Amino acid sequence: DTGVSQNPRHKITKRGQNVTFRCDPISEHNRLYWYRQTLGQGPEFLTYFQNEAQLEKSRLLSDRFSAERPKGSFSTLEIQRTEQGDSAMYLCASSTDRGPTEAFFGQGTRLTVV
Amino acid sequence: QKEVEQDPGPLSVPEGAIVSLNCTYSNSAFQYFMWYRQYSRKGPELLMYTYSSGNKEDGRFTAQVDKSSKYISLFIRDSQPSDSATYLCAMRQHGSSNTGKLIFGQGTTLQVKP
Repeated sequence: DTGVSQNPRHKITKRGQNVTFRCDPISEHNRLYWYRQTLGQGPEFLTYFQNEAQLEKSRLLSDRFSAERPKGSFSTLEIQRTEQGDSAMYLCASSTDRGPTEAFFGQGTRLTVV
Repeated sequence: QKEVEQDPGPLSVPEGAIVSLNCTYSNSAFQYFMWYRQYSRKGPELLMYTYSSGNKEDGRFTAQVDKSSKYISLFIRDSQPSDSATYLCAMRQHGSSNTGKLIFGQGTTLQVKP
């Protein structure tokens, strides 16, 4: 296992289109997080999964955003009707709730809405 | 006011210098403190992870936590050009109800000149 994997690495889309990102966490990690990072800012929490259950969502996660983690493995983040303000780096992180609980991040998906 | 404050810099130092990076925070419930390094257009990479107050050393890196002052630091000794990156502090709460979500500072951009 080489770490958290995110696809695609880059996505350019037209305003109004839907986009979907995928995250494959470290295999033994039962916790999965999505963050958003804009230029010059630190990552901001979007949502959290414990296994397949989505247990927390930030107010940043508008109705146009939806995340899933079927079977507690990989996760997808979908943005519907994209807006220019959605342009950001979308980061996925995973951790375990037993033993060392550090979060490890993927390389992110950079979204550009034109 | 943000929960975690971090001077964005940029901070420019000559090669070999000792670098001091700092964050302050307002939430006394934070118990876990982390430093991440982020190269341009990459995901954050975990550098240091500490619990509660005290010091932790790993090679050229030393992390300090002063919970009484709500102040954390990262020291880099014998800085190298390869240390040029953005350094993000992050922290989270402790407890069985804690989701493990991280609250990040804005990040400090460091440039080490040869």
